[in-house]
Amino acid sequence: DTEVTQTPKHLVMGMTNKKSLKCEQHMGHRAMYWYKQKAKKPPELMFVYSYEKLSINESVPSRFSPECPNSSLLNLHLHALQPEDSALYLCASSQEDASTDTQYFGPGTRLTVL
Amino acid sequence: GDSVTQMEGPVTLSEEAFLTINCTYTATGYPSLFWYVQYPGEGLQLLLKATKADDKGSNKGFEATYRKETTSFHLEKGSVQVSDSAVYFCALIAGGFKTIFGAGTRLFVKA
Repeated sequence: DTEVTQTPKHLVMGMTNKKSLKCEQHMGHRAMYWYKQKAKKPPELMFVYSYEKLSINESVPSRFSPECPNSSLLNLHLHALQPEDSALYLCASSQEDASTDTQYFGPGTRLTVL
Repeated sequence: GDSVTQMEGPVTLSEEAFLTINCTYTATGYPSLFWYVQYPGEGLQLLLKATKADDKGSNKGFEATYRKETTSFHLEKGSVQVSDSAVYFCALIAGGFKTIFGAGTRLFVKA
């Protein structure tokens, strides 16, 4: 199984809402990632978890709050977002933290903030 | 800092044409190099990778060779199909977790 799953597939939320994005993998990978991708742009790294601990935070605003409850799950909690946060949010995972590791991406959650 | 530069698109080809998408990189150390493909409405899929100089990655008829002397990793395919229409991202990892992506090249293949 080389699949990363993400739910929901689409999400529309208002600026005062609280919502969460969920990512799951069962490949035994120990590193998990959140990326943000705007239209016609490459993915931008947001967060990296390694062995369930936050390893990288790319200066992401606090209205995005990541959580890694266990080695298979990664959540992204959203609160008080802005319309410019509308984007495709991609989750990925990789085996370890070696620089040769392939990242496996999920299909993404398309988020629209009204 | 580390960076990846890809040829600008879109690239439009007829079916069975030869494809080249240029990619050059700047990095300290010895990066691993990747090509990812993103089909409309989907996430990224690894197409191929190379982890050291002179390695050739290949998959689904696509090939790329890690050229340290020219700091390049150009993607090629001998005969494209309509189903190859997608956005192609060249990327590197120079150390740790952080993947550096190129801007992406959109490919349109006409029947």
